[in-house]
Amino acid sequence: EADIYQTPRYLVIGTGKKITLECSQTMGHDKMYWYQQDPGMELHLIHYSYGVNSTEKGDLSSESTVSRIRTEHFPLTLESARPSHTSQYLCASSEGVDTQYFGPGTRLTVL
Amino acid sequence: AQSVTQLGSHVSVSEGALVLLRCNYSSSVPPYLFWYVQYPNQGLQLLLKYTSAATLVKGINGFEAEFKKSETSFHLTKPSAHMSDAAEYFCAVSWKTSYDKVIFGPGTSLSVIP
Repeated sequence: EADIYQTPRYLVIGTGKKITLECSQTMGHDKMYWYQQDPGMELHLIHYSYGVNSTEKGDLSSESTVSRIRTEHFPLTLESARPSHTSQYLCASSEGVDTQYFGPGTRLTVL
Repeated sequence: AQSVTQLGSHVSVSEGALVLLRCNYSSSVPPYLFWYVQYPNQGLQLLLKYTSAATLVKGINGFEAEFKKSETSFHLTKPSAHMSDAAEYFCAVSWKTSYDKVIFGPGTSLSVIP
């Protein structure tokens, strides 16, 4: 059973607010990922990590930042949210190039 | 450059009909190949994967896919569509390189008509 959790599931906030999207996995995977996905559209990799204290930017430029202080935890932060950040954010983890396990996603709406 | 293409952003089939979702990749090295399914308001979950064993791979919910190296393809099929198969399907390819890169295709939305 793959266990990867994301909170909150839904978030509606005003412009300019700072937010943190949480992602945790209990599988001990070294690799973790953040994707941005608009409804019915393709996935865009925005951040990834190969392990503790390792973070890299993905293919899609994003104003968000991430940290990886613990293996199981990979939070994503937006310092000042804007309407253009409205989207679904998916977190995933994997062991090497094998299967990626996805969380349920956070649907963010910025007013 | 390495890429993944899925022919048809939207596919409609009748209930009970054959499902065929196409995936092609470009690669100069042997890949690992995956199909994921995404239901509304959920994350992706693995349907099946190919990692250099048998070229015909069986997955969950009656789906299967065949790796054809000469065609650089990994098409997904199911003999008889069910209403519950309506979802978004993503093909993904990875390579054991120094960067362990994974590329997802753009996705195909499957509709099943009663």
